[in-house]
Amino acid sequence: GENVEQHPSTLSVQEGDSAVIKCTYSDSASNYFPWYKQELGKGPQLIIDIRSNVGEKKDQRIAVTLNKTAKHFSLHITETQPEDSAVYFCAASIHSGAGSYQLTFGKGTKLSVIP
Amino acid sequence: GAGVSQSPSNKVTEKGKDVELRCDPISGHTALYWYRQSLGQGLEFLIYFQGNSAPDKSGLPSDRFSAERTGGSVSTLTIQRTQQEDSAVYLCASSLEARGHYEQYFGPGTRLTVT
Repeated sequence: GENVEQHPSTLSVQEGDSAVIKCTYSDSASNYFPWYKQELGKGPQLIIDIRSNVGEKKDQRIAVTLNKTAKHFSLHITETQPEDSAVYFCAASIHSGAGSYQLTFGKGTKLSVIP
Repeated sequence: GAGVSQSPSNKVTEKGKDVELRCDPISGHTALYWYRQSLGQGLEFLIYFQGNSAPDKSGLPSDRFSAERTGGSVSTLTIQRTQQEDSAVYLCASSLEARGHYEQYFGPGTRLTVT
């Protein structure tokens, strides 16, 4: 099955600096890659996603890049703010033989933005 | 509008007891997923519903775990004869369509503690 590796596990940045989180996946059939932000005591919330026919996608301070050849994708957050502090998860989605579009998640990155 | 809701938010049970966890998806969402999040880990897929049927149960860790969905809406996850290793946060997500990669909206989760 699919395996997703995520690095780093923790990341501390100064407010205003950029943060980069990287993920690799194993199954070349995966074709949808969402990123989720999880705040303490809450469920994950989608912040950006990218499909395999696109190499880069940007939404204000957040961008995601995808390299299908190397099977890795990255989240970039610019001009970080204290409210960006949370756990971020990358995921890869594959259409399984049973018909589901289950997500395989990385283990998460705890981002701390220091004021 | 209303998001995905789950109940109870917290559940403490004794080893060997059965528990039922409930998920109310977003109205009109066809697909429903259950995931488990253990401490410091990513989310682990458990089961997928398309309408009331569950074509993908590949993530259920043992036959003590079962789930059903009625009326294409509410779903319950049942864990029989709970064990300490079942302690985790159980997350439910729903998606507008069952076919294709659509955003999965997560509920806040049920934190299960087995003593």
